[in-house]
Amino acid sequence: GNSVTQMEGPVTLSEEAFLTINCTYTATGYPSLFWYVQYPGEGLQLLLKATKADDKGSNKGFEATYRKETTSFHLEKGSVQVSDSAVYFCALSSSPTDSWGKLQFGAGTQVVVTP
Amino acid sequence: ETGVTQSPTHLIKTRGQQVTLRCSSQSGHNTVSWYQQALGQGPQFIFQYYREEENGRGNFPPRFSGLQFPNYSSELNVNALELDDSALYLCASSRNTEAFFGQGTRLTVV
Repeated sequence: GNSVTQMEGPVTLSEEAFLTINCTYTATGYPSLFWYVQYPGEGLQLLLKATKADDKGSNKGFEATYRKETTSFHLEKGSVQVSDSAVYFCALSSSPTDSWGKLQFGAGTQVVVTP
Repeated sequence: ETGVTQSPTHLIKTRGQQVTLRCSSQSGHNTVSWYQQALGQGPQFIFQYYREEENGRGNFPPRFSGLQFPNYSSELNVNALELDDSALYLCASSRNTEAFFGQGTRLTVV
């Protein structure tokens, strides 16, 4: 079956540091890949997505490239802010045969950014 | 603000009881998915409803059931609550596009 593995946290770094969160997946076919963010006490927000190999998703300074050869979708940001402190989830959806909303999530990576 | 509203935000139930959680989907979204997020873990897919019919189910027992109404709002029902059912329950609505999540219902079973 499908699965998503992401690096364990917490990841603690200083403001303006470079952030990488590794995510690898196992899936049949051609899944769509997502990064969601969860701020304390809130639900999930879509951060970025990529629907086919070599696509790069980007939003709010975050980027991730869909690498089919390495089955990876690592999240990066060049200069983090304290407000980026949150839990980040990598997820996949087995589209296009599967409808949106049936997501397989990783366990999440907590990121703590200190001033 | 995603336009997906869940109620209640928190509740406490006793083991063996039944609970109903509610979700109002974003306007125009005909698909609702439910997830269970245990503390410190990623959300786990429970099931999805599309136009009032169940459209896929995750690895959850039959005591987890749901409904979707003509206005596309949805309910998640859990019977015979167990302590391990304590979690954040999230719903997400979608319509041929990305899923938008509500803020969740925190269920505590004691």
